[in-house]
Amino acid sequence: DQQVKQNSPSLSVQEGRISILNCDYTNSMFDYFLWYKKYPAEGPTFLISISSIKDKNEDGRFTVFLNKSAKHLSLHIVPSQPGDSAVYFCAASVANDYKLSFGAGTTVTVRA
Amino acid sequence: ETGVTQSPTHLIKTRGQQVTLRCSSQSGHNTVSWYQQALGQGPQFIFQYYREEENGRGNFPPRFSGLQFPNYSSELNVNALELDDSALYLCASSRGGLAGDTQYFGPGTRLTVL
Repeated sequence: DQQVKQNSPSLSVQEGRISILNCDYTNSMFDYFLWYKKYPAEGPTFLISISSIKDKNEDGRFTVFLNKSAKHLSLHIVPSQPGDSAVYFCAASVANDYKLSFGAGTTVTVRA
Repeated sequence: ETGVTQSPTHLIKTRGQQVTLRCSSQSGHNTVSWYQQALGQGPQFIFQYYREEENGRGNFPPRFSGLQFPNYSSELNVNALELDDSALYLCASSRGGLAGDTQYFGPGTRLTVL
């Protein structure tokens, strides 16, 4: 039962433009959300997170938006750089819980 | 400060065999979680260990078992291997076992079952 869904398996964007990655979830108990980035032959690297009490969190070029009523979050990368080419995973968890539920990932390719 | 390390990097086994995968936590972390990532999918939670005790388990059969040692390193054991066990196995460590404690992942062990 996939509780976190990333419906776009891939995204191609030109260098300097905005990358928008989307994630939907079905479990209304989720209240903590994270994005991880993964390069080939490496483990996922934590990128940014957001708690359900917020609707936006920003860290440099990365901004995560949360729409609780729509059970939807998105990651914006501005401007996109060639080093951003990777697989991005959306993950969610319930407060006082321990496990992360991951989406299937979106492969981002930044074109020069 | 060293990050999370895993060994071996790659492993090939045959059906019915047993395998042990190892993980060393990041310095200062007392919690280890294990995930299975099948091809084209996101990581799936197997279980978590906090201070040497199992702290929660995902939807995996009992033939998946684990240990955490006093130095907070960990092992994942899989008995009676099946073809579907072929996957990337990721270990992640954190300072605690709660949602707000960021999990830091190792590079994974690629297991192939023939």
